[in-house]
Amino acid sequence: GAVVSQHPSWVICKSGTSVKIECRSLDFQATTMFWYRQFPKQSLMLMATSNEGSKATYEQGVEKDKFLINHASLTLSTLTVTSAHPEDSSFYICSVNGGQAYGYTFGSGTRLTVV
Amino acid sequence: GNSVTQMEGPVTLSEEAFLTINCTYTATGYPSLFWYVQYPGEGLQLLLKATKADDKGSNKGFEATYRKETTSFHLEKGSVQVSDSAVYFCALRVNDYKLSFGAGTTVTVRA
Repeated sequence: GAVVSQHPSWVICKSGTSVKIECRSLDFQATTMFWYRQFPKQSLMLMATSNEGSKATYEQGVEKDKFLINHASLTLSTLTVTSAHPEDSSFYICSVNGGQAYGYTFGSGTRLTVV
Repeated sequence: GNSVTQMEGPVTLSEEAFLTINCTYTATGYPSLFWYVQYPGEGLQLLLKATKADDKGSNKGFEATYRKETTSFHLEKGSVQVSDSAVYFCALRVNDYKLSFGAGTTVTVRA
């Protein structure tokens, strides 16, 4: 099936700095990727749909300028948390839509801690 | 809209016990239904799925049947192991390809 690599698996950053998270589809050309956020002991909340070659589609309540998404190629989408604050600390997970053949495949997640 | 209601946890079981996690849904249209599993510190893995009414998804001893009449997709396993300790998510997808997740159920299996 589709293999998704997410990097880094964890990151600690200072308040006010920016952090970039990468999501790579290793064996499948993904025109669509999804970014989720998960708070402790809670479900996944869809943040945005990343579209290759065009602007991402953000869910209601998600700040576009805060969470920058770039999907420049069929194998890579990036999420940049800009001017991070402690309340941005969370577990971020990407997902690839592998179509009928592979379904949805998730990355292993990135634990972001802002201090 | 589309939503998934999942049995609240946490659930604690002894090894070889029977596990059931209830999941019901509301959806516009005809959803596909999924169970995902998340091990500590990891992303989600697809456990099983069903795409139409009366389909039964099965994997690793887990089963779930798509019941349109009760709008349910309950997860069951006859004999759990310690390695089954994880968080389980019920999810659905309709035509717009977005997954809607339940709140997740934490399962702990004790030896």
